[in-house]
Amino acid sequence: GAGVSQSPRYKVAKRGQDVALRCDPISGHVSLFWYQQALGQGPEFLTYFQNEAQLDKSGLPSDRFFAERPEGSVSTLKIQRTQQEDSAVYLCASSPRLAGGDEQFFGPGTRLTVL
Amino acid sequence: AQSVTQLGSHVSVSEGALVLLRCNYSSSVPPYLFWYVQYPNQGLQLLLKYTTGATLVKGINGFEAEFKKSETSFHLTKPSAHMSDAAEYFCAGSSGSARQLTFGSGTQLTVLP
Repeated sequence: GAGVSQSPRYKVAKRGQDVALRCDPISGHVSLFWYQQALGQGPEFLTYFQNEAQLDKSGLPSDRFFAERPEGSVSTLKIQRTQQEDSAVYLCASSPRLAGGDEQFFGPGTRLTVL
Repeated sequence: AQSVTQLGSHVSVSEGALVLLRCNYSSSVPPYLFWYVQYPNQGLQLLLKYTTGATLVKGINGFEAEFKKSETSFHLTKPSAHMSDAAEYFCAGSSGSARQLTFGSGTQLTVLP
């Protein structure tokens, strides 16, 4: 079946521009997670949803970052007034439930480059 | 709070040799532990996970890992490396009420012919 998909795969933005990154989770998956992966580092947690409810956004680095999942399926991560330090790969993952120990299924990521 | 440490950012082995990738965790409560593999321009793929029960966990592609509470370790092994194993490997964990994963910084595995 179809896995997690993300679009666009690559995004180049000028400093100060707003960007929107889309995640399509596996159909029926309750949980959705966003991670940020800087070059040469492991992914770092940003936020997660259970259906449409955003249960934890403690990893969002600033108030320029905003995520939503209005219908409990597709999610969008928005970054306003992008800065060079926002350059990273943004990974989305989904999971069938919200239970500890569940596998998270990852998408291929969106590589954001801010010039 | 959970933290995960991977010792060795780069590991090289010869084809057919033992693969050993090290991972240590710190957690105040019993953790859930995972190993993921990442190929270039692809998402992370789960190799194996430990939740409860048997401490020796077998995964895909011949990999296995052993949860050792006394050593706070979850090292990944494979008896015989194959060229196709060359990739980046991430150890990750979660614990308590947290559902998000905490990742180590990754280990790049190179397999030499």
